[in-house]
Amino acid sequence: EIVLTQSPGTLSLSPGERATLSCRASQSVSRAYLAWYQQKPGQAPRLLIYDAFTRATGIPDRFSGSWSGTDFTLTISRLEPEDFAVYFCQQYGTSPPRYTFGQGTKLEI
Amino acid sequence: QVQLQESGPGLVKPSETLSLTCIVSGGSLSSSDWWSWIRQPPGKGLEWIGEISHGGDIHYNPSLESRVTISKDNSGRQISLKVASMTAADTALYYCARNVWPPRFDDWGQGTLVTVSS
Repeated sequence: EIVLTQSPGTLSLSPGERATLSCRASQSVSRAYLAWYQQKPGQAPRLLIYDAFTRATGIPDRFSGSWSGTDFTLTISRLEPEDFAVYFCQQYGTSPPRYTFGQGTKLEI
Repeated sequence: QVQLQESGPGLVKPSETLSLTCIVSGGSLSSSDWWSWIRQPPGKGLEWIGEISHGGDIHYNPSLESRVTISKDNSGRQISLKVASMTAADTALYYCARNVWPPRFDDWGQGTLVTVSS
């Protein structure tokens, strides 16, 4: 099973600042199989990024994804008040379980 | 884009079997669609439970496989989840979601909270 470790657990920043969230896989993950989600209190997760760097429909371009080896990064270039939420990474693998999630990073003001 | 709506009992007693339904409305369904169940204990992370394809192929999370059954109706617009031998550790918000390719969960229901308590 591929384990995704997200860091930091909590990130405290202010609007206008840049946020960098990390997701490290325990073994090789195909770039195409890594996605990022945003979850606000009382809401279902919302897809932000798939294929490691492709923004989902309607996602602002201040959100970007990148990767290097087993390290994946979600960057929010200039934080807006509505960006403060919990962020999860998710990977897909052909071995069970097919999908696993990171434990989440809480982005707080 | 489809809309997903989960429904279920809300409260289940320990050792009972949970039955949830997800209704898919709107949009057009594709033969390449897969539908997943995902759960989230209060204040915690996400756990993938399993998935079923348009054609009826099924994959489960090995951690739950012995207790879980996912099925769908012939229209493909009603997806069901059964979890046997429920315990307090199964208390969670249960979501259904549509998986597409490259693998990701594009559409989510709003979730249904299931509490296990006597």
